[in-house]
Amino acid sequence: SQELEQSPQSLIVQEGKNLTINCTSSKTLYGLYWYKQKYGEGLIFLMMLQKGGEEKSHEKITAKLDEKKQQSSLHITASQPSHAGIYLCGADMGGTASKLTFGTGTRLQVTL
Amino acid sequence: DVKVTQSSRYLVKRTGEKVFLECVQDMDHENMFWYRQDPGLGLRLIYFSYDVKMKEKGDIPEGYSVSREKKERFSLILESASTNQTSMYLCASRRQGSYEQYFGPGTRLTVT
Repeated sequence: SQELEQSPQSLIVQEGKNLTINCTSSKTLYGLYWYKQKYGEGLIFLMMLQKGGEEKSHEKITAKLDEKKQQSSLHITASQPSHAGIYLCGADMGGTASKLTFGTGTRLQVTL
Repeated sequence: DVKVTQSSRYLVKRTGEKVFLECVQDMDHENMFWYRQDPGLGLRLIYFSYDVKMKEKGDIPEGYSVSREKKERFSLILESASTNQTSMYLCASRRQGSYEQYFGPGTRLTVT
């Protein structure tokens, strides 16, 4: 079983709609990272959360880490075609930040 | 800007061949990583290196070896390629003590 569970696995939304992607662990996370991957390419860093209850935003993307530091959500407001891609959460589960464990990813399609 | 480059975007090799995947970063980062990405399994860490000539096994090192003779270059070696090593391979680098990993564009390897 995956140490980090992402849901949903895939998502199709209409342009302009809001959406949320979740990342859940059974263990306390020392750091939670969100990355975006364009199809067939490398990962682009979006945000990193460390403290329980922390929330960060960049343009129309907001990421939150719950108080127990076991669940994070990524929320996109008013989605655009440029938001399409694969979103991956990665977590530092050992406290050393030396290795990241990744979820399986959420594939997002934005239709016109 | 940090740049992580990988020697090939696409590679096709035959079963039993020795395969070298090269990764170069230009930001003097101490840490470098090799992942493979497969549908439904997400990114899995193969090997990582804290510094020159230092290496540690990740979660799935079997069938792979690595070499880090120079700080900027981290090579992944498949001693005898097998079809189950067909995958997308991603390299990343990170400055020691920081959180963000910078990823290369990936090499899609097919072993026939």
